[in-house]
Amino acid sequence: SQQGEEDPQALSIQEGENATMNCSYKTSINNLQWYRQNSGRGLVHLILIRSNEREKHSGRLRVTLDTSKKSSSLLITASRAADTASYFCATANTNAGKSTFGDGTTLTVKP
Amino acid sequence: EAGVVQSPRYKIIEKKQPVAFWCNPISGHNTLYWYLQNLGQGPELLIRYENEEAVDDSQLPKDRFSAERLKGVDSTLKIQPAELGDSAVYLCASSPGSADTQYFGPGTRLTVL
Repeated sequence: SQQGEEDPQALSIQEGENATMNCSYKTSINNLQWYRQNSGRGLVHLILIRSNEREKHSGRLRVTLDTSKKSSSLLITASRAADTASYFCATANTNAGKSTFGDGTTLTVKP
Repeated sequence: EAGVVQSPRYKIIEKKQPVAFWCNPISGHNTLYWYLQNLGQGPELLIRYENEEAVDDSQLPKDRFSAERLKGVDSTLKIQPAELGDSAVYLCASSPGSADTQYFGPGTRLTVL
């Protein structure tokens, strides 16, 4: 089973709206990463947030991390049709030396 | 800078046949990962290398899967013999070190008939 679990499994919005995806995890982490995967492609790294950070921004992306609740959220503002993809969170634990992926949120942005 | 290269991109074989996948990571990346991804699911780690050493292969079905990373650079993943349930996308990723940002290749889509 995967450590990170994204919610919701699927999200459909209109272009211009904001999209929020959540990730919950179970054990302690050193960092949490968000990736995007377009259909038929490999995963592309979006943003990494460390366990001592609470919020991070990159362009239209905003990621928050709440280690007390073991959860993270990814906000995409002013969504575009090109944002249509699957989004995965991956939790990384340095002691374990690896990252563990959830099953993703499939985002559909309608033009 | 070249990304992670994988080949082939697609492979169709009949069950019980052998198959091999190749991965060339980003230059200088010490950590290399092989993942299996089924449709609608996230990547599942098969094996992780730190340089040439396999440090996590607990999820690798060793009765039919094998992997190697020669000289700590390129890597190959082999399945012999392939089963119907092995149909999936096999992803290779590399990172400067473990728990760092991973850079993924495009994957190899395997279909076992």
